[in-house]
Amino acid sequence: DVKVTQSSRYLVKRTGEKVFLECVQDMDHENMFWYRQDPGLGLRLIYFSYDVKMKEKGDIPEGYSVSREKKERFSLILESASTNQTSMYLCASSPVEGNQPQHFGDGTRLSIL
Amino acid sequence: DQQVKQNSPSLSVQEGRISILNCDYTNSMFDYFLWYKKYPAEGPTFLISISSIKDKNEDGRFTVFLNKSAKHLSLHIVPSQPGDSAVYFCAAVEQTLGNEKLTFGTGTRLTIIP
Repeated sequence: DVKVTQSSRYLVKRTGEKVFLECVQDMDHENMFWYRQDPGLGLRLIYFSYDVKMKEKGDIPEGYSVSREKKERFSLILESASTNQTSMYLCASSPVEGNQPQHFGDGTRLSIL
Repeated sequence: DQQVKQNSPSLSVQEGRISILNCDYTNSMFDYFLWYKKYPAEGPTFLISISSIKDKNEDGRFTVFLNKSAKHLSLHIVPSQPGDSAVYFCAAVEQTLGNEKLTFGTGTRLTIIP
């Protein structure tokens, strides 16, 4: 069974802090994704990666960066956290073969004070 | 610009009846569609999918219908059960370079009334 693990369920940080959200998957998937979920807006793609050290911007990359040094790990970085980055963050992974669903972690609820 | 739209934010259905959730899209390049179900404090879980070469896919109580000319898909759940109460997201894929980049709708909160 696919397991996508996000390091924290809840996180509280202060404005201006550098924040790291970690995600690990155990299925040797090539593709990994970071989304944020906000009420009334659904899930919006921040960044994705289709291979180690590769990254692509999603729909809302501003204020974020990512790191993929190992295949199983994909990190989301908030360079200087702001209150409008308070959200639920979801990580997902999928294999490179076409028409395969993405598997999601349980999310990190991040509050920026 | 919202390329995938779920115009009903919420839906209430009596237990045992049919639940119909709708989704519209604008990008004609989308060629694969998925439905996800999300409980509070959990990540979305994959429910069912359909390729653009089909117009129907069925899995137990869940059936997805695709009308390409109308750019519309729907999820039918029958019979509805209390455990089906959740937020449902439709998602669409325009397959480029095998990245499987998903575009999600805004979600519909389904409540099954016992």
